[in-house]
Amino acid sequence: DTGVSQDPRHKITKRGQNVTFRCDPISEHNRLYWYRQTLGQGPEFLTYFQNEAQLEKSRLLSDRFSAERPKGSFSTLEIQRTEQGDSAMYLCASSPGLAGGAGELFFGEGSRLTVL
Amino acid sequence: TQLLEQSPQFLSIQEGENLTVYCNSSSVFSSLQWYRQEPGEGPVLLVTVVTGGEVKKLKRLTFQFGDARKDSSLHITAAQPGDTGLYLCAGHTGGFKTIFGAGTRLFVKA
Repeated sequence: DTGVSQDPRHKITKRGQNVTFRCDPISEHNRLYWYRQTLGQGPEFLTYFQNEAQLEKSRLLSDRFSAERPKGSFSTLEIQRTEQGDSAMYLCASSPGLAGGAGELFFGEGSRLTVL
Repeated sequence: TQLLEQSPQFLSIQEGENLTVYCNSSSVFSSLQWYRQEPGEGPVLLVTVVTGGEVKKLKRLTFQFGDARKDSSLHITAAQPGDTGLYLCAGHTGGFKTIFGAGTRLFVKA
C-alpha cells in the first residue's frame, strides 16, 4: 500500500502525559500537512512542511505542540502535557506540491487522541 | 479570514432521492475540492474543480464550480445507502494552504 499511513490509529492518555504521532506520506510527495478535526467540524490546519522545512504553523498550534520532518520523509507531531481539549482526530496529508498544482490532499486514516 | 460555509449541515433522505449540498465563501479560490469521509477514517478526495463554471460528473455525483470561483455544489442523483458519509468541501488559494468547510453529514436510508 502506497498511501499515507499514520500511527497509532488510537491513543488514550491521561491529562498531563506526552503523546507522539507519526505520519509516513506518499513517498514522492514533498508537501506534508497536519490537520486536527473535532466532532462535527471539518479539518483545521495545524502545520505544513515543504520537504524538511516547516513553513507555516497555525495559531492553533500552542507551545505544547511540536512537529518535525527530519530528512523530508516521515513526520512526527508531539503534544506535551496533554489537556482534555486536545482530544481530537489528528490527520496527516501529503501532496506532490507541483508548481501551480490544484491543492489536492491525500489523507491518512488519522490518529484519534482521547485525553482522560 | 477565509471561511467556507456548507449547507445543509445534516441531511437524512430515503434511498432513490436526489439531493444537493452547497459550499459558499466570500473568497475566490484557485481550485476547490470535494472529499468524502467515513467515521473513523480520513477524508478521501472525490474531485477537483478549477475553472469557473466547470461541471464534473462522477457516476451519480455532479460537481459544479461557481462562475466567480467562490462557491460550489454537489448534486447526487438517486442516492444509495453507500453514499452515506460526511461531505467536505475545501478551497485552495494557490499557495500551500487548503481550508475546509464543516461538512454536510448525509444519511441515506434503505
